[in-house]
Amino acid sequence: GENVEQHPSTLSVQEGDSAVIKCTYSDSASNYFPWYKQELGKRPQLIIDIRSNVGEKKDQRIAVTLNKTAKHFSLHITETQPEDSAVYFCAASFKGGGADGLTFGKGTHLIIQP
Amino acid sequence: GAVVSQHPSRVICKSGTSVKIECRSLDFQATTMFWYRQFPKQSLMLMATSNEGSKATYEQGVEKDKFLINHASLTLSTLTVTSAHPEDSSFYICSAAVRGGVETQYFGPGTRLLVL
Repeated sequence: GENVEQHPSTLSVQEGDSAVIKCTYSDSASNYFPWYKQELGKRPQLIIDIRSNVGEKKDQRIAVTLNKTAKHFSLHITETQPEDSAVYFCAASFKGGGADGLTFGKGTHLIIQP
Repeated sequence: GAVVSQHPSRVICKSGTSVKIECRSLDFQATTMFWYRQFPKQSLMLMATSNEGSKATYEQGVEKDKFLINHASLTLSTLTVTSAHPEDSSFYICSAAVRGGVETQYFGPGTRLLVL
């Protein structure tokens, strides 16, 4: 089955700086890679996703890059703000025409220092 | 759009009893729903995939007789934790995939189960 590794487990950055979270996956058949933000006790919220036919995707301050050859993908948050503080999870799955369950990384606790 | 609800949000039960959790897609039809479990300060672990009108597919290590899943309609899936024990205490979260081939999963708010 798929295995997703996520680093770092905790990331502290100064407000206004950039944050980068990295994930690797094991199953070369995986072709869908979403990122979720989860605040304490709340549901995961999809913040961005990327499919394997795309190398990079950007949405305002958030961007995701994918390297299929190396089987890794990264989340980039620029101009960080206090409200960005949360736990971020990467995930991977194979989409063979239907919907498949996600394999999640262990999460990164992002702390934005004022 | 794409709102998923769960009920109850919190439940406390005695060891040995059964608990039913409902997951509903409120404004869309979900061919597939997923059930995840999340222990404190840990990641989400997929328990099972629930397809409307067919038997659920369970992940390795998840007991299908203990975690009963029913997906009777395109907007409702239920998870019943049978004969619950303290080690079943966790945060149970469902998600639903929008019918039509779109991969995006929308998560419910979760149900916090505490078994005494």
